[in-house]
Amino acid sequence: GAGVSQSPSNKVTEKGKDVELRCDPISGHTALYWYRQSLGQGLEFLIYFQGNSAPDKSGLPSDRFSAERTGGSVSTLTIQRTQQEDSAVYLCASSLTGASYNEQFFGPGTRLTVL
Amino acid sequence: GEDVEQSLFLSVREGDSSVINCTYTDSSSTYLYWYKQEPGAGLQLLTYIFSNMDMKQDQRLTVLLNKKDKHLSLRIADTQTGDSAIYFCAEIPRKLTGGGNKLTFGTGTQLKVEL
Repeated sequence: GAGVSQSPSNKVTEKGKDVELRCDPISGHTALYWYRQSLGQGLEFLIYFQGNSAPDKSGLPSDRFSAERTGGSVSTLTIQRTQQEDSAVYLCASSLTGASYNEQFFGPGTRLTVL
Repeated sequence: GEDVEQSLFLSVREGDSSVINCTYTDSSSTYLYWYKQEPGAGLQLLTYIFSNMDMKQDQRLTVLLNKKDKHLSLRIADTQTGDSAIYFCAEIPRKLTGGGNKLTFGTGTQLKVEL
């Protein structure tokens, strides 16, 4: 595809359930980022993948959050035992490399609502 | 301060100039960015400025950078209704650990363009 795609676009879940959010980056992009946009916290970094290197998980808010990137392409963000404060829009971005001069292209996001 | 700060709202008349201000945190940030978010859409990179520049002009957009005060501004000339959106400034603070190019975003300024 031409851009970063994310699925689902909307997800409603009950408190305590696990959810998986998917990101398909732009083909050939080696760097992939997850961000979260919420009313209380604004836009915040969650996790970063670069090639085959160990991911930078420094932004993950708790150990209920994890992410993986298979084959250097598709990424899945998993939230276990969801809480109401996890409600947010989860944004994925990719860039050609991890260099700061490479633009990060954002997907449309997944809106997660935890009831 | 520790947060990238922006005013929350700006209202202008169509045809006027808009100026959106931002105070960032890390004087060693190499690049500073302006992103646009339209309702229901992902983030779109509008423009960026390299830290050794004072000004960058790109069609209707002018970015001014004052490194001494860590102040960044975005001027939109001849503002149109299609410019109505939320505008985020962002930096990649060098002080963050873990490497990678993790964007730190401002709180966002909602621009409303009135006829």
